[in-house]
Amino acid sequence: DVVMTQSPDSLAVSLGERATINCKSSQSVLYSSDNKNYLAWYQQKPRQPPKLLIYWASTRESGVPDRFSGSGSGTDFNLTISSLQAEDVAVYYCQQHYSLPLTFGGGTKVEIK
Amino acid sequence: QVQLQQSGPGLVKPSQTLSLTCVVSGDSVSSNSGTWNWIRQSPSRGLEWLGRTYYRSKWSFDYAVSVKSRLTIRPDTSKNQISLQLNSVTPEDTAVYYCARNPAQVSTMIDWGQGTLVTVSS
Repeated sequence: DVVMTQSPDSLAVSLGERATINCKSSQSVLYSSDNKNYLAWYQQKPRQPPKLLIYWASTRESGVPDRFSGSGSGTDFNLTISSLQAEDVAVYYCQQHYSLPLTFGGGTKVEIK
Repeated sequence: QVQLQQSGPGLVKPSQTLSLTCVVSGDSVSSNSGTWNWIRQSPSRGLEWLGRTYYRSKWSFDYAVSVKSRLTIRPDTSKNQISLQLNSVTPEDTAVYYCARNPAQVSTMIDWGQGTLVTVSS
């Protein structure tokens, strides 16, 4: 199984400031045939299911604000919120969609400082 | 817009069978465009993918090794729903269970059910 490790566990950022979350996979999730990284990011608010933000490491899902961006390749990835808004307070998860079983990171809680 | 509505008991006794249903609207479970997953979430195990089914000229099923011997995912095209049955449950199976849909082209969950908290306790 591909193990996903996120850091930090929690993060407190001032409104309007940048938040960056890291996710590392135990093996590369770069698929050589299409040169795409099979890495997704989700946002989860209390008592709600996760919401897809980004897939293929950097492709934003329709309707996701452009302050959310994904980067990285191979085994090392980042989710950046360029200017934190109050509504961004949530737990963020990465997920590899490269191979079965699909696996998720342990989550990063983002709060307002 | 695809909607997934879950139903099922919130309390199951140890050694019994956990059964949940996910009714789909806005898409057909037998369309070629979707894959139907079950995922659970608990404080101890985090988000855990359990298995999936999809129809591409025939039905296919994939299960996580950790639950493969106990889990059955079953489509019901007459009711446009997907069901989950997990046998021989223990308190370790206590979690919020979600059904979720991913598009055929990429295994990322675009549509989710509301979640069902299932507690395994006598």
